Amino acid sequence: DVKVTQSSRYLVKRTGEKVFLECVQDMDHENMFWYRQDPGLGLRLIYFSYDVKMKEKGDIPEGYSVSREKKERFSLILESASTNQTSMYLCASTPLAGGFYEQYFGPGTRLTVT
Amino acid sequence: ILNVEQSPQSLHVQEGDSTNFTCSFPSSNFYALHWYRWETAKSPEALFVMTLNGDEKKKGRISATLNTKEGYSYLYIKGSQPEDSATYLCAFNNNDMRFGAGTRLTVKP
Repeated sequence: DVKVTQSSRYLVKRTGEKVFLECVQDMDHENMFWYRQDPGLGLRLIYFSYDVKMKEKGDIPEGYSVSREKKERFSLILESASTNQTSMYLCASTPLAGGFYEQYFGPGTRLTVT
Repeated sequence: ILNVEQSPQSLHVQEGDSTNFTCSFPSSNFYALHWYRWETAKSPEALFVMTLNGDEKKKGRISATLNTKEGYSYLYIKGSQPEDSATYLCAFNNNDMRFGAGTRLTVKP
């Protein structure tokens, strides 16, 4: 069973704080993704990574950065949290590139920035 | 940005009812269409990945069809059960993955 875990289910941070969201997958997948989900909108891609130390911007990278130092771990960093980053954050992984592979998701982190 | 539209946004049915919802997507440069089920407090899980026009897939009481020429997919649930209550997401892939906003299904006992 593929397992994708995220470090926190709920997180409350203050405006201006640096926030780290961690994601770990245990199936040796090459690709990892960070999405955010807001009411009435589809999942929007923030960043993805297809290999260790490699990263690509998604549709909404502004205000975020990522780190992938090990294959199993993909971190999302909010350099200076703002209230408009209050959202549900989902991490996902796939074994290889290409749209034919289902994405395996973590349970999500609901982040509130006050 | 290519839009993926899902309808309806939400749906309330009685246990035992059959139901269906729609995913519309751009018909050009199609690679794959994904359906996911997302139950509250759980991770989204893949139901189907569909690649060929005319594809029909089935998993238990849930099935899906795909029309790539006209750009739509239907998800059907036969004899809905309370445990089917979830948000159903579709995602269109043409090298990038685009998700719809989902259909939230509530099945009342």
